[in-house]
Amino acid sequence: QVQLVDSGGGVVQPGRSLRLSCAASGFTFNSCAMHWVRQAPGKGLEWVAIISFDGSNKYYADSVKGRFTISRDNSNNTLFLQMNSLRAEDTAVYYCARDLGGSFYVDWYFDLWGRGTLVTVSS
Amino acid sequence: EIVLTQSPATLSLSPGDRATLSCRASQSISRSLAWYQQKPGQPPRLLIYDASNRATGIPARFTGSGSGTDFTLTISSLEPEDFAVYYCQRRSNWPPFGGGTKVEIK
Repeated sequence: QVQLVDSGGGVVQPGRSLRLSCAASGFTFNSCAMHWVRQAPGKGLEWVAIISFDGSNKYYADSVKGRFTISRDNSNNTLFLQMNSLRAEDTAVYYCARDLGGSFYVDWYFDLWGRGTLVTVSS
Repeated sequence: EIVLTQSPATLSLSPGDRATLSCRASQSISRSLAWYQQKPGQPPRLLIYDASNRATGIPARFTGSGSGTDFTLTISSLEPEDFAVYYCQRRSNWPPFGGGTKVEIK
């Protein structure tokens, strides 16, 4: 079954860290660029980060640059998001998403999404 | 920075009606636009990419059109499962989303 399963969310105090995971199955994970997209409660969608198929290239939204790190383990078909120095405004559901491009190409569209994991930053 | 503006914010329609959703870009983006559908408690689903290409498994009642700055998503005849929020998104290396249009039951 083609799917993404995100996990790792929870309640964390401002300034602390959290690591999200996304387990992929049913497709050739190591040929796809992957993204994280977030959605604050009751709000719209915000792209967070992208990592290339082999992990050699990474880009971030300005709002998280220097605090968040995207990575991947292709041997275990898993995507990660390390979130440091968390702020209240980082509170959101975080979705991992597959890039439509596949086959080592980046399309910047998102054709497969995890169900999301909620991160709440609160004291 | 290119901004995407969706209108209307809310569309109140009945099953069987035709829905027309708009997405306007602040600068020309050629045909680099996607549409997503999101239902409560669910992740978004890709409907349309490159302005008019239906994603895999998307019914033919969903049609995307437009280029440059003005784009439209048309749902020819609303089914009960189509009542949801719809977002447009520009294809770019910092992909912005529009603010969304909620299609609700009248």
